[in-house]
Amino acid sequence: SQQGEEDPQALSIQEGENATMNCSYKTSINNLQWYRQNSGRGLVHLILIRSNEREKHSGRLRVTLDTSKKSSSLLITASRAADTASYFCATTKTSGSRLTFGEGTQLTVNP
Amino acid sequence: GAGVSQTPSNKVTEKGKYVELRCDPISGHTALYWYRQSLGQGPEFLIYFQGTGAADDSGLPNDRFFAVRPEGSVSTLKIQRTERGDSAVYLCASSLMGGTQNTEAFFGQGTRLTVV
Repeated sequence: SQQGEEDPQALSIQEGENATMNCSYKTSINNLQWYRQNSGRGLVHLILIRSNEREKHSGRLRVTLDTSKKSSSLLITASRAADTASYFCATTKTSGSRLTFGEGTQLTVNP
Repeated sequence: GAGVSQTPSNKVTEKGKYVELRCDPISGHTALYWYRQSLGQGPEFLIYFQGTGAADDSGLPNDRFFAVRPEGSVSTLKIQRTERGDSAVYLCASSLMGGTQNTEAFFGQGTRLTVV
């Protein structure tokens, strides 16, 4: 079973709007990462947040982590049509090494 | 090359045949991961190497699946007696370090395996 669960499963917005995707997980983690995937092929790393961090920014991306609620959110501001992709959260448990992915959110940004 | 390379990019094989999928990680990356992904789902963990050894192979679905990394660089995922249910995109990733000091993972473009 997947450690992370994203919601919503699908999100459709207009260009220029902000997109927020959420990820929940079940066990303690060492870090949480967000990845983007176009057309079902290779994933691209977006941002990594460690368990002792609460918020991180990278360009138009903002990630928050709430370890008490075992959840994270990814905010994409001023979205563009090129942001259309699937977005996955992935966690690394404190006790292990595998990177475990959720089922993803399919984001569609309409021009 | 600069990134993770996977070959072949596409593989069609008949049910019951044996296949090998190759992954060339980024030079110097000690950690190497294999995942498989079905349409509309997230990547499913198969196996993780730290150097030459399999640090975690608990994701391999059964004994038809095997992976090696003999020199701590290139890895080969081997599937025996393929079944139609093995059809998926097989993704390989590498990272600079593994364990609890995970850094970002860099993914290849995947091998799309179709078993007919």
